[in-house]
Amino acid sequence: IQLTQSPSSLSASVGDRVTITCRASQGISSYLAWYQQKPGKAPKLLIYAASTLQSGVPSRFSGSGSGTDFTLTISSLQPEDFATYYCQQLNSYPREGGFTFGPGTKVDIK
Amino acid sequence: QVQLVQSGAEVKKPGASVKVSCKASGYTFTSYGISWVRQAPGQGLEWMGWISAYNGNTNYAQKLQGRVTMTTDTSTSTAYMELRSLRSDDTAVYYCATAYCGGDCYEAFDYWGQGTLVTVSS
Repeated sequence: IQLTQSPSSLSASVGDRVTITCRASQGISSYLAWYQQKPGKAPKLLIYAASTLQSGVPSRFSGSGSGTDFTLTISSLQPEDFATYYCQQLNSYPREGGFTFGPGTKVDIK
Repeated sequence: QVQLVQSGAEVKKPGASVKVSCKASGYTFTSYGISWVRQAPGQGLEWMGWISAYNGNTNYAQKLQGRVTMTTDTSTSTAYMELRSLRSDDTAVYYCATAYCGGDCYEAFDYWGQGTLVTVSS
């Protein structure tokens, strides 16, 4: 299963609403997670099951979608949100390609 | 609290092997699997494979089949990832991760190690 993300990068200002899209090459139900990664750090789980916020993650983050099309939305971008965001599908096992990640979306300061 | 602590950076020559360790604490090691993910410099995340700490069952990414071996030592709650026949494009930060939340979070990776840089250079 292949994942694509759009855009690959975006520039935004503090307070902006940001939406990132992730598309799967075949249906994955709600087996999708979103991660945030900052330079030199391990990824951090933000959302699982497509729309469930991980404990401790601010409510300005939200996820939606099922099947093949998913979105991550940041309702009001904060300075600490400038990072790269990855989607990951958890639907298929390795013989079908494994728990693949999307290519990432870099969010930087306008 | 759940922690995954990885071994230190490695420098290897092409053709050599590397073995990275990931020591788990704060939970029952055999109750959860460990996945390995790598990230080449400036690139995205690549899932490498998974091992059950319960019974040692493994699943590897097709592109790494034959070069990678994942093992666990339950006596020390440590997982290992060995990659053989190293090439320059294996230069990457290697992460271990676990889905401690399990099926409740659809096996998403909620805990990660700090990463281990493996540099392959002649």
